[in-house]
Amino acid sequence: ETVLTQSPATLSVSPGERVTLSCRASQSVSSDLAWYQQNPGQPPRLLIYRASTRATGVPIRFSGSGSGTEFTLTIISLQSEDFVVYYCQQYNNWPYTFGQGTRLEIK
Amino acid sequence: EVQLVESGGGLVKPGGSLRLSCAASGFTFSSYSMNWVRQAPGKGLEWVSSITPGSNYIYYGDSVKGRFASSRDNAKNSLYLQMNSLRAEDTAVYYCARDNPSSTGTTDYWGQGTLVTVSS
Repeated sequence: ETVLTQSPATLSVSPGERVTLSCRASQSVSSDLAWYQQNPGQPPRLLIYRASTRATGVPIRFSGSGSGTEFTLTIISLQSEDFVVYYCQQYNNWPYTFGQGTRLEIK
Repeated sequence: EVQLVESGGGLVKPGGSLRLSCAASGFTFSSYSMNWVRQAPGKGLEWVSSITPGSNYIYYGDSVKGRFASSRDNAKNSLYLQMNSLRAEDTAVYYCARDNPSSTGTTDYWGQGTLVTVSS
């Protein structure tokens, strides 16, 4: 099973700032890496797939990069609605797995 | 508009069984792989199962293999998850999610989820 480690678990940032979230895989997943955003009490929302492709309707302030075992999600000019939880997910090999999540909190 | 509506959750005793359903609308259900993903209260996400459009391939996570069975009825636009030998650690919100046609293995639409509680 491919283990995904997200860091940090919680990130304190100010609105308007830029932030980078990290996701590391225990083995190569090529570019088969997605990012999801989850608001409290809601299902996740797909943000990024294939490591760097934005899903339909996702604002351009969200961008993804990386391949192999190291991936990042960057959010520029943080808006109030961005302060939620983010998960990475690999779909290179079964079982598909998620990272444990990174929570963005307002500084 | 794509809609996924889960049902069938509830309280069940350890060792018991439950069958979840997911009613799909707004897209050609028979053309998409479908997935079950769960989330324990206050915890992260766990991929439970994937099933291809014609049910030719069905995959399960290690923690549910041998106990859960995923199926679908394309004529009824419905997805099912039969859960047997339930354990306390199966307590979670169970989401039905559509496979993203642009990148299979990711999910572009999710239901609101149904809560399964396993407790004596």
